[in-house]
Amino acid sequence: GEDVEQSLFLSVREGDSSVINCTYTDSSSTYLYWYKQEPGAGLQLLTYIFSNMDMKQDQRLTVLLNKKDKHLSLRIADTQTGDSAIYFCAENFDYKLSFGAGTTVTVRA
Amino acid sequence: ETGVTQSPTHLIKTRGQQVTLRCSSQSGHNTVSWYQQALGQGPQFIFQYYREEENGRGNFPPRFSGLQFPNYSSELNVNALELDDSALYLCASSLGADRDHGYTFGSGTRLTVV
Repeated sequence: GEDVEQSLFLSVREGDSSVINCTYTDSSSTYLYWYKQEPGAGLQLLTYIFSNMDMKQDQRLTVLLNKKDKHLSLRIADTQTGDSAIYFCAENFDYKLSFGAGTTVTVRA
Repeated sequence: ETGVTQSPTHLIKTRGQQVTLRCSSQSGHNTVSWYQQALGQGPQFIFQYYREEENGRGNFPPRFSGLQFPNYSSELNVNALELDDSALYLCASSLGADRDHGYTFGSGTRLTVV
């Protein structure tokens, strides 16, 4: 089955860290992705993690994966106003992506 | 390296009409997937094409159909449009099963059915 869940909203102060959480259901998913969507735009791939990894760091982004609990998180360090967007967690299942409903991140000054 | 381009960017159709949306995949990519994103929701998988054949389909009725051409570009056709078909339609391309780089998405076509 494919059922990805995310919290809907996150408000964060500029310069602080943001943490976006996601749970997924399919234990056979091999890749898990984080996408960013800005208003009126398509989806931009931010980062991904392979299921045999626990953590992946890419500049300001840190992905943590707890495979036992099927929990994925994305941490954005030093959050900037340009990070305001909708963030989608997605699991790769049978060559298609199953997305959560997205977390709207608002960065306040 | 060009990205994924979709046309048109916006479209308004009347209920019952038919629509064709187009997608040019990223250079070097041979697989195209289509997604429907309703307002306030995540994208939902419609179908995928690989080497001009449908390679998988989501929970969408047969009035949603597609084509992939030898140059790997693709079309999404929707017949007998319904109000609930109003959504952002996203095309994504990839190189076969190369999941290391995910899927490259276009900016989408915003379809409004009235």
